[in-house]
Amino acid sequence: EAQVTQNPRYLITVTGKKLTVTCSQNMNHEYMSWYRQDPGLGLRQIYYSMNVEVTDKGDVPEGYKVSRKEKRNFPLILESPSPNQTSLYFCASSLLDNSPLHFGNGTRLTVT
Amino acid sequence: AQSVTQPDIHITVSEGASLELRCNYSYGATPYLFWYVQSPGQGLQLLLKYFSGDTLVQGIKGFEAEFKRSQSSFNLRKPSVHWSDAAEYFCAVGGGYQKVTFGTGTKLQVIP
Repeated sequence: EAQVTQNPRYLITVTGKKLTVTCSQNMNHEYMSWYRQDPGLGLRQIYYSMNVEVTDKGDVPEGYKVSRKEKRNFPLILESPSPNQTSLYFCASSLLDNSPLHFGNGTRLTVT
Repeated sequence: AQSVTQPDIHITVSEGASLELRCNYSYGATPYLFWYVQSPGQGLQLLLKYFSGDTLVQGIKGFEAEFKRSQSSFNLRKPSVHWSDAAEYFCAVGGGYQKVTFGTGTKLQVIP
């Protein structure tokens, strides 16, 4: 089944404790991206990647890192999480630029 | 800069009634436009897309949308709403290089 898989689904952590949210897609898509969803703000793009080793900032990249060492994986790294990064995070992939996005089921992160 | 406005935060309709969700966009060229639906606890799923050609676009689950360049609108419609359509709906505009901008969403409640 074609899908984007994120892990974990839920994560509670404390301020400053490094964490990684994994994302993997099995559709051989070139493009991958991370979004955060907050009430009243919709989805905002954090980072995106157009290919292996090619990444760029989205609208809200501060406090986040990404890497794209393999085509299928695009982990999101929070080196020192803060409470304002409490949010619902989505990974997405697409075949081509401006193709429809395929979303994972989300990771709900709480930073205390 | 591109932007998307969904003026209705919350809409309630009766089952069997018609539905129209509004979306206005701002973009300098011919836009790539999308509607996505998000069910509780799920990621976003593509309903339909507009790239070019016929301005009336058919999607899944009986939804359609009409692109009106003169009004910068891409409103989503359904002639008869089902209880299973209750969800949050997001309009999005794509601007190349994975620069996808989402609206803030419209929550649809369906009453019997």
